[in-house]
This record gives sequence, structure tokens and C-alpha cells, in this order.
Amino acid sequence: DTEVTQTPKHLVMGMTNKKSLKCEQHMGHRAMYWYKQKAKKPPELMFVYSYEKLSINESVPSRFSPECPNSSLLNLHLHALQPEDSALYLCASSQDPRWNYGYTFGSGTRLTVV
Amino acid sequence: DAKTTQPPSMDCAEGRAANLPCNHSTISGNEYVYWYRQIHSQGPQYIIHGLKNNETNEMASLIITEDRKSSTLILPHATLRDTAVYYCIVIGDGNNRLAFGKGNQVVVIP
Repeated sequence: DTEVTQTPKHLVMGMTNKKSLKCEQHMGHRAMYWYKQKAKKPPELMFVYSYEKLSINESVPSRFSPECPNSSLLNLHLHALQPEDSALYLCASSQDPRWNYGYTFGSGTRLTVV
Repeated sequence: DAKTTQPPSMDCAEGRAANLPCNHSTISGNEYVYWYRQIHSQGPQYIIHGLKNNETNEMASLIITEDRKSSTLILPHATLRDTAVYYCIVIGDGNNRLAFGKGNQVVVIP
């Protein structure tokens, strides 16, 4: 298995809802990442997990809460989002947090906040 | 991390080699050059990386100048499926902040 699987592929949520994005990989990768991508913009790093521990939070608002229950799974919990949070949310993994090559990205969850 | 400069867009002819330039004049000795690409509606895809030697894999070749201030990604026989935004990134090992710049929108024309 050489893929990063993200679910759901599309999500519409209200500003008072609580929802979660899920990311899964079975490549034995020890680093996992969340990126946010607005339309026609490059992906922006949000969080980095290294050996299941949060190592980088790029000053992301607390309405986004990451969780890494085990080495294969990464979640992003969403609460009280704003319409400007609508974007494509990409998950990625890499073999070793020391290296920057060979990131494998999922196809993303397209989130719309209404 | 060193800043990179790429053309915002370029067209390439199908079947021909595509040469994608990247300037990184402030690169440090321990920083690598990475190339990723993003095809429309997909997540980014790793292509190749190098430190100072030229590199080749099944997807592309990476040519880094001797002074390491610039590099060129070569797609040997461009196909329509190579149409994508190509990102040149310079970063050192141990730095997990893989950051994407504006990239180069490459369109392969039949």
C-alpha cells in the first residue's frame, strides 16, 4: 500500500458544527502532516507529527485540533469554523521526519463552511 | 530556508524535453533542492531531490549548477499528463517545514 487515504473527500459544515477529517497510511511512515490549500494558492503547512507527537503547529487557530491516535492515523477535528476556512485540506506522510523527500500526499478533503 | 524563484508559467511541446528553471542564489551548504508537482485536483507529488550532484530517476533529471545557485528540472519526454504546477523547494534536512512557493504552471501542448 503506497497511498495516503483521506476521508471524506467532500464536506459541507455549518459554523456551529463539529466534524473531523481522517487521514490514514500503511507505509510505516513516522511523520504526518496537515496542509491547507486555498483556491489557486500553494499548500500551506498547518501541523507536523513526528513519531506520533505534535512537533510543529504553524500558529493555527484552536478551532483546528489535530490528533494522532497511532502511527497510521491522523485526524483533524474541526469546531466553530468560519467561511474563510473553506479550502482543500491535504494530509501527507513521509518515512522519516528528518528527511524532506518522498512525501506522499492524499487527494485531500474539500471543505466548505456555510 | 533559501528563497526560490521560478517563472510563473511556461508551455512545453508534447514529446519534447521540458526544462524547468529554478533560481536559489541564497542556498546554504546543507540545503537540498526538492521538486514536487501538483496536478489539478490532486495532492502534490514528489519528483526528485539533490544536494550538488545531478540526479536522475524514472520521472525526471535534476541538474544543479556547480555554484548551486540554480537548478533545472528536466522532463525528458513531456506528455499531456505532465501538465501541473511544479514547485522548487530548498530546505535543509531535519527541517520539517516543507513550504511551497507559487510554483511554475507548466502546460504541455499537443
